[in-house]
Amino acid sequence: QLQLQESGPGVVKSSETLSLTCTVSGGSITSSSYYWAWIRQPPGKGLEWIGSIYSSGSTYSTPSLKSRLTILIDTSKNRFSLKLSSVTAADTAVYYCTRLGYDDGSGYYYFDYWGQGTLVTVSS
Amino acid sequence: QSVLTQPPSVSAAPGQKVTISCSGSSSNIGSNPVSWYQQLPGTAPKLLIYDNSKRPSGIPDRFSGSRSGTSATLGISGLQTGDEADYYCGTWDSGLSPWVFGGGTKLTVL
Repeated sequence: QLQLQESGPGVVKSSETLSLTCTVSGGSITSSSYYWAWIRQPPGKGLEWIGSIYSSGSTYSTPSLKSRLTILIDTSKNRFSLKLSSVTAADTAVYYCTRLGYDDGSGYYYFDYWGQGTLVTVSS
Repeated sequence: QSVLTQPPSVSAAPGQKVTISCSGSSSNIGSNPVSWYQQLPGTAPKLLIYDNSKRPSGIPDRFSGSRSGTSATLGISGLQTGDEADYYCGTWDSGLSPWVFGGGTKLTVL
């Protein structure tokens, strides 16, 4: 059974860089059928897609965060990471790492596996 | 303000059926399949419906989905108290952001 586990500091100071890692177990991060993604959820609010990465290293991200965002993949350690610079209180959220699985029928990808999420609080 | 519009809340009695709507535009729902995610209290979201109406393995057939034009609908029949959760629709978008979610709908089973 595929499992994703987020790790990283639970508190980050304002203006500093938020860094999280997602370790994938029970499957290979290099499989051609999958992308890997980060999604966040501010307390009491809805889901926001942050960005996605393929095993080749190609990335896609939401325009509002693109200038501050770095998503990397480490195939040797079966994990991928998120770095968000110059954080503010608005970046306080539960951050989820997810897998985008490919559906042959539709030719599209869907978020089919999720980590448990990790709360990151930006402090002043 | 979410790109996809969902009602903030819906409610129904146990055993009844409820529907949750998700409204978008031609750049998202109108041209791409919709998926739905269930988020039980205090847990991570879970894929409930993909490709508008398909259910992943393990999801009971009480859950159904459909799409028409620029809107999609999630249906839940035979409501159980364990269905109380937040439900999110999502799809790809050819506009600014490749992926968009709805704002979420809180389901209360009275």
